[in-house]
Amino acid sequence: DAMVIQNPRYQVTQFGKPVTLSCSQTLNHNVMYWYQQKSSQAPKLLFHYYDKDFNNEADTPDNFQSRRPNTSFCFLDIRSPGLGDAAMYLCATSMGGTNTEAFFGQGTRLTVV
Amino acid sequence: AQKITQTQPGMFVQEKEAVTLDCTYDTSDPSYGLFWYKQPSSGEMIFLIYQGSYDQQNATEGRYSLNFQKARKSANLVISASQLGDSAMYFCAVTGGSYIPTFGRGTSLIVHP
Repeated sequence: DAMVIQNPRYQVTQFGKPVTLSCSQTLNHNVMYWYQQKSSQAPKLLFHYYDKDFNNEADTPDNFQSRRPNTSFCFLDIRSPGLGDAAMYLCATSMGGTNTEAFFGQGTRLTVV
Repeated sequence: AQKITQTQPGMFVQEKEAVTLDCTYDTSDPSYGLFWYKQPSSGEMIFLIYQGSYDQQNATEGRYSLNFQKARKSANLVISASQLGDSAMYFCAVTGGSYIPTFGRGTSLIVHP
């Protein structure tokens, strides 16, 4: 059974139209991450939560926001998507520790038209 | 700051042969973890193997082994007896001083029959 689930798998949105990507987990992990992955590039961390504590990366655009209403769910909101935001968005969880692996969802492929 | 370098954009291997995927890392933290993940075309990142910075022996998990050379800051992944299903992107990652993995750009592996 999938432990980290992302919805939808594919999302097409119009330029400038707000979009929300969702992620849920059944692992009860403390940490949830959002990564942006573009073709031939390393996954780039946008932000993460440790429990309710939100941690934003310094270079994450203000256009990207996140919510974690409870342990199981986390959302990525893109307020005004641009063409440059087209990418794969990966949600991951971990127990939090240098020796613990991350568990990933299948990703959401975002297309901006 | 942490950094992962994967210098091989693409690798080809014959089925049943062994292949080595290179990874070098840079971290100032004395305690860190090294991870390898596999990403098939479906998109989900799958954890393969972990090596702790204080581990004396190289990690092994089935057909996967990690050739850890601490002085050279190298953590190469060795896949023995390659299978067609091993064709995927492979990412090396490091956690140093925190639980947040930093990823390399990845290596695309193609296994030929």
